Amino acid sequence: AQSVTQLDSHVSVSEGTPVLLRCNYSSSYSPSLFWYVQHPNKGLQLLLKYTSAATLVKGINGFEAEFKKSETSFHLTKPSAHMSDAAEYFCVVSDLGGGSNYKLTFGKGTLLTVNP
Amino acid sequence: GAVVSQHPSRVICKSGTSVKIECRSLDFQATTMFWYRQFPKKSLMLMATSNEGSKATYEQGVEKDKFLINHASLTLSTLTVTSAHPEDSSFYICSASPVENTEAFFGQGTRLTVV
Repeated sequence: AQSVTQLDSHVSVSEGTPVLLRCNYSSSYSPSLFWYVQHPNKGLQLLLKYTSAATLVKGINGFEAEFKKSETSFHLTKPSAHMSDAAEYFCVVSDLGGGSNYKLTFGKGTLLTVNP
Repeated sequence: GAVVSQHPSRVICKSGTSVKIECRSLDFQATTMFWYRQFPKKSLMLMATSNEGSKATYEQGVEKDKFLINHASLTLSTLTVTSAHPEDSSFYICSASPVENTEAFFGQGTRLTVV
């Protein structure tokens, strides 16, 4: 079984300040982990993914995340927020080793607000 | 990256009618596609796994007679909401993964409004 907990439902930052979106996961196998972003009434866009390679993963738009097995965490960060980063962010886990055939489990999402 | 196209992006229908939503993988073949439903300000809920050439696998609590899924080819899956009611109004999103790839690609979603 797998699960994802996004610790904050809403994060508000000022433009130019760092962003931290927290995610903890639970998995029976070696997981693949993803962060997706969703703008209003749009589909999901992949920001970055971890698939058992380097633990520090760099994604698009300046985002990165670090896989910490000991803490079962995969927090998303960005050094400096931009107004266009305002969106809903989802942490996602996939238990490929469990034969789930790419079945994804989504966190509840974190709404990021960026203030001018 | 791979592209998944979903159509229509927005549909309004009358209560009691049926609506078909298409999900296509444009540049890869997908033996498996997934259908999700997203309620306002909520996460995505997996409805069913669409399997090419066989019956879909539905998640617990999802009515298979209500949400008909057909995966007739390696690039197309359809979701038909039958006898739609206002409570079926939602945002529906499909996803697919190329074979041997761990990344899921999502369609742009379909906003269904039943009046």
